[in-house]
Amino acid sequence: DIGITQSPDSLAVSLGERATINCKTSQSVLYSSNNKDYLAWYQQKPRQPPKLLLYWASIRESGVPDRFTGSGSGTDFTLTITSLQAEDVAVYYCQQYYTLVTFGQGTKVEI
Amino acid sequence: EVQLVESGGGVVQPGGSLRLSCAASGFDFSKSWMHWVRQPPGKGPMWVSRINTDGSNRVYADSVKGRFTISRDNAQNTLFLQMDGLTVDDTGVYYCSGGIPPDFWGRGTLVTVSS
Repeated sequence: DIGITQSPDSLAVSLGERATINCKTSQSVLYSSNNKDYLAWYQQKPRQPPKLLLYWASIRESGVPDRFTGSGSGTDFTLTITSLQAEDVAVYYCQQYYTLVTFGQGTKVEI
Repeated sequence: EVQLVESGGGVVQPGGSLRLSCAASGFDFSKSWMHWVRQPPGKGPMWVSRINTDGSNRVYADSVKGRFTISRDNAQNTLFLQMDGLTVDDTGVYYCSGGIPPDFWGRGTLVTVSS
């Protein structure tokens, strides 16, 4: 099984400032035949299901604001929220779908 | 509009069984890989199982293998999860979701395993 470690567990960011969340997988999720990283990022607010933000590590889902940016490859990935808005308060999860599916433990973003 | 509606949750004693259903609409269900994902109270989501479009390929998390069975009825646009031998650790909200990676989700149904 592919394990995932996110850091930090929580962070407090001022409105308009940058939030950075890291995600490390226990083995590479880069598939060499198509050069794609099988890594996604989700946002979850209370009493709601997770919402897909990015897939293939850096591709925004339709409708996701461009202040959400994904980067990284192989085993190390980052979600950056530039200019944090009040509606971005949530728990963020990375997920690998290279082998079955595994979620990280989550990062709680607060203001 | 894409819609997934789960049902079948409830309270069950350890060792008991439940069958969850997920009614799909607004998209071509027969062409979508589907998943069950659960979320224990206050914890993160945990993937449970996945089924391919025609039901010929089914995979499970180690923690539910041999106890849970995923299936689908493409004629009725419905996904199922048969859960047997339930334990307290199976408690949580069960979501059905579709796509690779899962990109559309239902609102979930709560399963509580308690004596």
